[in-house]
Amino acid sequence: AQSVSQHNHHVILSEAASLELGCNYSYGGTVNLFWYVQYPGQHLQLLLKYFSGDPLVKGIKGFEAEFIKSKFSFNLRKPSVQWSDTAEYFCAVKAGTALIFGKGTTLSVSS
Amino acid sequence: DVKVTQSSRYLVKRTGEKVFLECVQDMDHENMFWYRQDPGLGLRLIYFSYDVKMKEKGDIPEGYSVSREKKERFSLILESASTNQTSMYLCASSLKGARGTEAFFGQGTRLTVV
Repeated sequence: AQSVSQHNHHVILSEAASLELGCNYSYGGTVNLFWYVQYPGQHLQLLLKYFSGDPLVKGIKGFEAEFIKSKFSFNLRKPSVQWSDTAEYFCAVKAGTALIFGKGTTLSVSS
Repeated sequence: DVKVTQSSRYLVKRTGEKVFLECVQDMDHENMFWYRQDPGLGLRLIYFSYDVKMKEKGDIPEGYSVSREKKERFSLILESASTNQTSMYLCASSLKGARGTEAFFGQGTRLTVV
């Protein structure tokens, strides 16, 4: 069965620290991968996506992710976080028609 | 901009009531989805639809049904609400078939069953 595993449930960082959130997936078909963000009180928004080509994908707000096929991973990174990055982050894989999501990682950034 | 609109932000219903959650999208997307979001469990797929009158079960369909009579509208039905269905419900839509096409989400409906 398709699944997505996010390693960190809650990450706490100070402003300007670097961020890496882990994501591993299990899916045998053609891979489409996504990172979504949910700011407090807001709807889910797309941060970035991968479906082919360059495995290093750049998204909005300075985020990037690297697809490593051999490791079934799609980790999210940001070199320097800001207080406004406080949110919940979800990794997802497109399995056929629907997106399958991980359990999410809550990021808290202190100023 | 794609817009996915859920009819209610907050709902409070009694155990045993029949509950309808409505979702409308304005981008002519073929696919529509219902997820529920619970702390520590992420988003879990309840049902999805890839065309009018077509539906597929997701990972947790028990206790729910859906209706899609028009392309733009997808309804989630709780036949007899129970307290364990207290949750945030998210509707989403996407284009059919295209690789890399993401899902667009509504604001969510926070349902409390008492």
